[in-house]
Formats: sequence, structure tokens, C-alpha cells
Amino acid sequence: AQSVSQHNHHVILSEAASLELGCNYSYGGTVNLFWYVQYPGQHLQLLLKYFSGDPLVKGIKGFEAEFIKSKFSFNLRKPSVQWSDTAEYFCAVNAFYDFGSSNTGKLIFGQGTTLQVKP
Amino acid sequence: GAGVSQSPSNKVTEKGKDVELRCDPISGHTALYWYRQSLGQGLEFLIYFQGNSAPDKSGLPSDRFSAERTGGSVSTLTIQRTQQEDSAVYLCASSPRSYRWGATDNIQYFGAGTRLSVL
Repeated sequence: AQSVSQHNHHVILSEAASLELGCNYSYGGTVNLFWYVQYPGQHLQLLLKYFSGDPLVKGIKGFEAEFIKSKFSFNLRKPSVQWSDTAEYFCAVNAFYDFGSSNTGKLIFGQGTTLQVKP
Repeated sequence: GAGVSQSPSNKVTEKGKDVELRCDPISGHTALYWYRQSLGQGLEFLIYFQGNSAPDKSGLPSDRFSAERTGGSVSTLTIQRTQQEDSAVYLCASSPRSYRWGATDNIQYFGAGTRLSVL
């Protein structure tokens, strides 16, 4: 079965520090990749996505992620974090199955990473 | 509506009672998903609807869980004879696309969730 692993469960940074959150998945076929963010008291929001093309994707609020197919990774980065980036971050994968079968679009999520940014 | 709406936002019930959770997707979205977010399990897929049919129910944890969707819109997730391990946040998401092999656009928009507490 497909799985998604986020290596950092809880990250604490000071403002202006750089951020990198790791995400690895286990599936050898075609994938769509996502990072979602959940700010305190709010619902899940899409941060960025990769479907095809340029493996370096840019999202909202200065976030970016790089898809490295050979490493099955989709790490999230931000050069300089702000206090308002304090949130929980989820990596998610939609795996395309064998030729001829339908892709339901269901997402497999990682366990999430709680980011705390100190002012 | 403007976003995915879920009700109630909070539900407290006694063990053994049945509960119904409602999801109102974004108007025009044909795909609808239910996920569960619980401590220790992260975010788990439960069921996928395309229109009124559910081609993927693989995530439903037991036969106490069922869901339906009517009019290609509102969906209800029913949990019968609730158990304490059912306590979680139940999230609904909708997406504008139907999913077939080769489809590449499957952004899901999430509701705020229903927090279920089984005493």
C-alpha cells in the first residue's frame, strides 16, 4: 500500500530562519503531490501542488517544493519564516494506478508536521 | 456556497448511539471525499463519491460506517453504535473534476470538519 512519511513531527524555528520539511512517499508510478496547511483553528488549505512539468513548484506565502522522482521526495521549503507560518503542515499524495483503472483522486496523507515559529 | 460546509461543527454522543454528519460541497463539484483526522492515525481516507455513487469505499473502518450522497450534492456520513475509538475530526472535501486514468487535476477543497467525541 502507498504511504507518505514526514520526517519532522515538531519543528521550532525563530523568525527569519529557513525552513525545510521532508516528505517521502512509497509508490513507483505516476503521482500528484500536495502540501496542505492547517493554521490554528482553521481548515486545511492548499499550499502548493505538483502535477507535471517543472519539478520546482511555488505556492502561496513564499513556499516552494521540489519533486525529486528518483528520491520519491517532495520537500517543502521557505527561505525565511514568519510567526504567521505557525501551523500544521501535511504532505499528501494521489497515486495513479495501473493503466486502464480509474484514479479516484483519494489522498494519502503524511502524519503532519507542527511548525512553531517564535517571534 | 463559497466553500465546503460541514455540520455540526461539534458533536458529543454516548457510546452506542448513532450519529449523522453532514457535508455540503462547493456548488458544481462532482467529486466528494470523507476523511478522518485522529490522534495517532493522522488523516485517513474513508470514502469517495462521484456524483451519487461511491466507487471507492475502501477506507471505511467497519460496517458501522456508511455514507450516501443525494442529488450529486449533500452527503451524509452515518456511524452506527458509536465507539470511543470513533472520536475524531471528520473532514469532507470536494473537487470539481471526475477522475479517470490520465486526469491530472484533482485539487480538493476541505471543510472545517466535525469534531466527534464519543463518551
